[in-house]
Amino acid sequence: DIQMTQSPSSVSASVGDRVTITCRASQGIASWLAWYQQKPGKAPELLIYAASSLQSGVPSRFSGSGSGTDFTLTISSLQPEDFATYYCQQANSFPYTFGQGTKLEIK
Amino acid sequence: QVHLVQSGAEVKKPGASVKVSCKASGYTFTTYSITWVRQAPGQGLEWIGWISPYNGNTNYVQKFRDRVTMTTDTSTSTAYMELRNLISDDTALYYCVTGSAWADFWGQGTLVTVSS
Repeated sequence: DIQMTQSPSSVSASVGDRVTITCRASQGIASWLAWYQQKPGKAPELLIYAASSLQSGVPSRFSGSGSGTDFTLTISSLQPEDFATYYCQQANSFPYTFGQGTKLEIK
Repeated sequence: QVHLVQSGAEVKKPGASVKVSCKASGYTFTTYSITWVRQAPGQGLEWIGWISPYNGNTNYVQKFRDRVTMTTDTSTSTAYMELRNLISDDTALYYCVTGSAWADFWGQGTLVTVSS
């Protein structure tokens, strides 16, 4: 199975900050990567698919990049509603697997 | 607007089976695969497998292959996931989602608790 490793596991930031979360795959996955946001007590929501495509309705402050084994999710200017846990997921090779999550907290 | 509504919470004893339902609305049911994902309390996300309502094809993660069965009823736009021989580690929130690669839209989740 492909292992997905996110870093950092948690990060503290302030409203207006630019934040980058990294996801590394244990083997190449081309652009078969998605990012999700999960708020406490809620189901995850798809933010980015195919590494850099923004899901409909997701604010443009979210962006994704990368291919192969290294990927990033960037939030350009943090808003209060962005404090949540973020997961990456590979869809290159079954079984599809998720990263362990990155918790974004208010500083 | 895609909407997935799942059945209510379940409490089961070890060795029992559970069947979770997921009723879809807002789109043509046979258009998208239904994937099942679970999340143990305080933990990350785990892919279980998917089913195509169009032709009934399934793809299960090896870990669950012997214990899981996914089905659909196109007359009611409902998907089902049955998990057998439950153990305590199966205690989790089970989600149905649309899509087979990306999880586009999510149900609200069904908590399955396995406890003696």
